[in-house]
Amino acid sequence: DAGVTQSPTHLIKTRGQQVTLRCSPKSGHDTVSWYQQALGQGPQFIFQYYEEEERQRGNFPDRFSGHQFPNYSSELNVNALLLGDSALYLCASSRGQGTFFGPGTRLLVL
Amino acid sequence: DAKTTQPTSMDCAEGRAANLPCNHSTISGNEYVYWYRQIHSQGPQYIIHGLKNNETNEMASLIITEDRKSSTLILPHATLRDTAVYYCIVRVTTLNSGYALNFGKGTSLLVTP
Repeated sequence: DAGVTQSPTHLIKTRGQQVTLRCSPKSGHDTVSWYQQALGQGPQFIFQYYEEEERQRGNFPDRFSGHQFPNYSSELNVNALLLGDSALYLCASSRGQGTFFGPGTRLLVL
Repeated sequence: DAKTTQPTSMDCAEGRAANLPCNHSTISGNEYVYWYRQIHSQGPQYIIHGLKNNETNEMASLIITEDRKSSTLILPHATLRDTAVYYCIVRVTTLNSGYALNFGKGTSLLVTP
């Protein structure tokens, strides 16, 4: 049983560009959350998707958007990239009490 | 969710017990205590959680004080692979698990040979 998978593992973009990150949840999980982790900080909650709708959102601007597909996989989109968007982006899936994280996508904005 | 306070860093000798404290003095009656850890450049890993009774699993033990205002995560025989950042998180848990995890900065545990 594969756990949470994310792609790509690493990504380099320039300021102003747009990026899409992808996540496949653990088998049987229907809820997907996204987190941003800057260097030296704990993960910060971006938003959560359940039944293809955004259910909860953290303190992130509208440049951050997402989508959940019928198979529960999810995408995180970031528009108009800023240098400060450089971070590790983590996807987490859950069903019931257990929350499992993927390995993350490391984004570098130059 | 209630806020938690953890020491910034701790050291532990290999083979010894690592005791990681967490203060959550404003915890509510329906909030659980969760522990996660993050090994360098990997995603956070679930360790254990509890409400008011002490809990033990194959990874660790969780001791929660009677007033629930603090807890201690115990790694009984620390190994070099336990070197990681440990996060104590307090949150309401529902069957849907539909709530965000509020990570702080955690405790950086260094296990030395």
